[in-house]
Parts: sequence; C-alpha cells; structure tokens
Amino acid sequence: ETGVTQSPTHLIKTRGQQVTLRCSSQSGHNTVSWYQQALGQGPQFIFQYYREEENGRGNFPPRFSGLQFPNYSSELNVNALELDDSAQYLCASSPRSSTGELFFGEGSRLTVL
Amino acid sequence: GQNIDQPTEMTATEGAIVQINCTYQTSGFNGLFWYQQHAGEAPTFLSYNVLDGLEEKGRFSSFLSRSKGYSYLLLKELQMKDSASYLCAVRVLTGGGNKLTFGTGTQLKVEL
Repeated sequence: ETGVTQSPTHLIKTRGQQVTLRCSSQSGHNTVSWYQQALGQGPQFIFQYYREEENGRGNFPPRFSGLQFPNYSSELNVNALELDDSAQYLCASSPRSSTGELFFGEGSRLTVL
Repeated sequence: GQNIDQPTEMTATEGAIVQINCTYQTSGFNGLFWYQQHAGEAPTFLSYNVLDGLEEKGRFSSFLSRSKGYSYLLLKELQMKDSASYLCAVRVLTGGGNKLTFGTGTQLKVEL
C-alpha cells in the first residue's frame, strides 16, 4: 500500500513568485487536506478537498488555492509569495470514515527569500 | 474558534512514565487525536478519543474528559526513540470533512 507522497521535498522561491506543491493520496483515500506548519508550531489547516471540490477552508487568504484530480491527487498553489509563507506544507489524506484519522505525507519545505 | 493548550516542553527518563496534558475549548467537538512527530518527519497517528475514558494501545494510552475539555497522553516504559513532538488535535464538525485543529505540540526529550 503506497502512502501519501509529496513533491518537491524542498524548494526556494523569492517574494512575489508563485509555487505549486503536489500530493498523491494514499490508495483508497478520497479526501485530501493541506496544512501549513511553521517551525515549532502545530500544523494549521489550509483547506480540504473531497470529490474534486473544496470542502472546508481555514483562515488563509485567497492566494492559497488548490485542486483535486479524479485520481484524488491534489495540488496546492500559492500566489504572490510572502516571507511568512516559509514553512513546511503537509498533505494528508483520509478515507471518508467516521474516525477521521489523517495520514500525512513527508511535506514540502518552502523557503521564501 | 478553537483554543488548544499543551505544555511546550517536557523531559523524562528512559524507562519512566510521562503524561502529556491537553486542554481545549471548542464548539462542535467531534473527537480528539494525538499525533507523534519526529523532527523533519510527518506526523503519525497515535490515538483517537471521541467518548470519555481511557484508550490503551501498547505503551501509549489516551484519556478524554469532554465535560472538562481535557485529554492526556500517557507514555509508559519510555524509550529514547520516543523523543519527539506530541501534537494534540481536536476535530470539529464544520458541515463536512475532517478538519483538525492542532495545538503547538509538546516537545518530549527522553534522557538516559
């Protein structure tokens, strides 16, 4: 069984640029969530996708957007990057089950200079 | 909104028992999770409580009191590999999906 995979693992951007992060969900999981984790902090919910539709959003501005594809993989796009966007971005998938356990990928470490 | 509090750091001795507390204030509570996260790695699921009481899983146990907005994670027979950040997370009903709100994490250091 393949777990959640994310790419790229590390990347460096400059202020004002745009970035796309990718995530392949675990086999059989149809829900994907994205979290931002700053150093020394807990993950912060960005948004969730189910059946290719956004299904819940955290307190992040519209320049954070996403997509989910028919194979349940997902992208996180961030426009007009700011220095404070530097963080680890975690993708998590889950089955549409009652417990709601999330299975996290290793994350993408974004540095904005 | 939700508010989750847990200690920032704890230190314990190998072989000992440690209890990590978590308090929360939320509406629409629908479960509490504990995750373990080693530095530079993904969080991994440890436990889930939705009803009051104790859930035991090997060396790890988790307790929940919904009326008090309180949970703890108990780690027994501590090993050096247990040194990690422990994240308390609350799931809230928001009209759909599995949104978790995480605390800042408790950094546990296990010493000889």
